[in-house]
Amino acid sequence: GQSLEQPSEVTAVEGAIVQINCTYQTSGFYGLSWYQQHDGGAPTFLSYNALDGLEETGRFSSFLSRSDSYGYLLLQELQMKDSASYFCAVRALTGGGNKLTFGTGTQLKVEL
Amino acid sequence: KAGVTQTPRYLIKTRGQQVTLSCSPISGHRSVSWYQQTPGQGLQFLFEYFSETQRNKGNFPGRFSGRQFSNSRSEMNVSTLELGDSALYLCASSVSSDTPQETQYFGPGTRLLVL
Repeated sequence: GQSLEQPSEVTAVEGAIVQINCTYQTSGFYGLSWYQQHDGGAPTFLSYNALDGLEETGRFSSFLSRSDSYGYLLLQELQMKDSASYFCAVRALTGGGNKLTFGTGTQLKVEL
Repeated sequence: KAGVTQTPRYLIKTRGQQVTLSCSPISGHRSVSWYQQTPGQGLQFLFEYFSETQRNKGNFPGRFSGRQFSNSRSEMNVSTLELGDSALYLCASSVSSDTPQETQYFGPGTRLLVL
């Protein structure tokens, strides 16, 4: 099976940088995805890492280390609208298809 | 292009009843996955349909079932509802089913309350 661990809550101030970590255990591994979900909203895709290293998309970056089974999401120049829950997710090799296993989510609170 | 739509958005049922939820994927998307989201268990995979065939199934009892139609629209059914079935049910669509980096696009969800 798969399991993913994330911190439950992170608080940061507007304009700061915050890192949300994710460690995973999986019997097979394609890549690590990150999703953002605002209260009452749908999860929206942020990034996907299949290879080791850093992927940058605007203010958001995502990192993966396959050897450490670890990844993180880096949010820069935090804005109030970034207050949301962030989920890492892995896709299993076995069974094929689009089955995603999600972490428990990290609630990010951005304060003034 | 319109996003994933789910109906109804809110639903109240009583224990023992059954419920059917509907999902219309993004045009051109052939894969539809269903997830249950609760405060205690987080986001959990229910099942995925691709070209009218179930490709994957999560660890849910047989009371949870689904199907997909030829136009890729999907329905999920929960029979003999229990209080613990109260959750946000999310549908996600993607173009295909086997591309590892395939992005899933989520709908707004159906919030089900079982009394």
